[in-house]
Amino acid sequence: AQTVTQSQPEMSVQEAETVTLSCTYDTSENNYYLFWYKQPPSRQMILVIRQEAYKQQNATENRFSVNFQKAAKSFSLKISDSQLGDTAMYFCAFKTDSWGKFQFGAGTQVVVTP
Amino acid sequence: DGGITQSPKYLFRKEGQNVTLSCEQNLNHDAMYWYRQDPGQGLRLIYYSQIVNDFQKGDIAEGYSVSREKKESFPLTVTSAQKNPTAFYLCATYRMAGELFFGEGSRLTVL
Repeated sequence: AQTVTQSQPEMSVQEAETVTLSCTYDTSENNYYLFWYKQPPSRQMILVIRQEAYKQQNATENRFSVNFQKAAKSFSLKISDSQLGDTAMYFCAFKTDSWGKFQFGAGTQVVVTP
Repeated sequence: DGGITQSPKYLFRKEGQNVTLSCEQNLNHDAMYWYRQDPGQGLRLIYYSQIVNDFQKGDIAEGYSVSREKKESFPLTVTSAQKNPTAFYLCATYRMAGELFFGEGSRLTVL
């Protein structure tokens, strides 16, 4: 079975600071995709960033970047220069290369304070 | 604009009643998914469909049913057999090698 673990239920960060969210996963497959989704208070799920397992280079989207460690099965998200609008629940998700299910972690609530 | 429409946004049900949540997409994506979200928990997969007239059970399918008669539509019925149906329900679509696109969700409350 494939599992995704987010060990930090909640994190608080001040504006302009940096916060890192952890995510580990377990799979025996070699080809897969990893994602971070954001769910603000509106509850609309928004894709933050994605990473293909075959790419060694870590993905970056503006202030969001990942640290993908394939051997360690780790996929952390770094939010730089945090803004109040970053306050949201963040979910790590995983999918194998074939058709099928996405597996989600339990989420990390990020609170950005002034 | 392409997107996913879920309706209704809020739904109240009496115990013993079946209710159907609608999910319509115009993204031309083949795969569609239904997730349930409870406080403090991640998204749990109820059902998913990769093509028309075919669907598979997810991790928590008991008490739910779906149909996929058209590519654009994937309605979810919450039956009276579902013991604790109060939750937030999310519909999503997927294109190959892409990511999940989500609707805005439906909040179901059992009175």
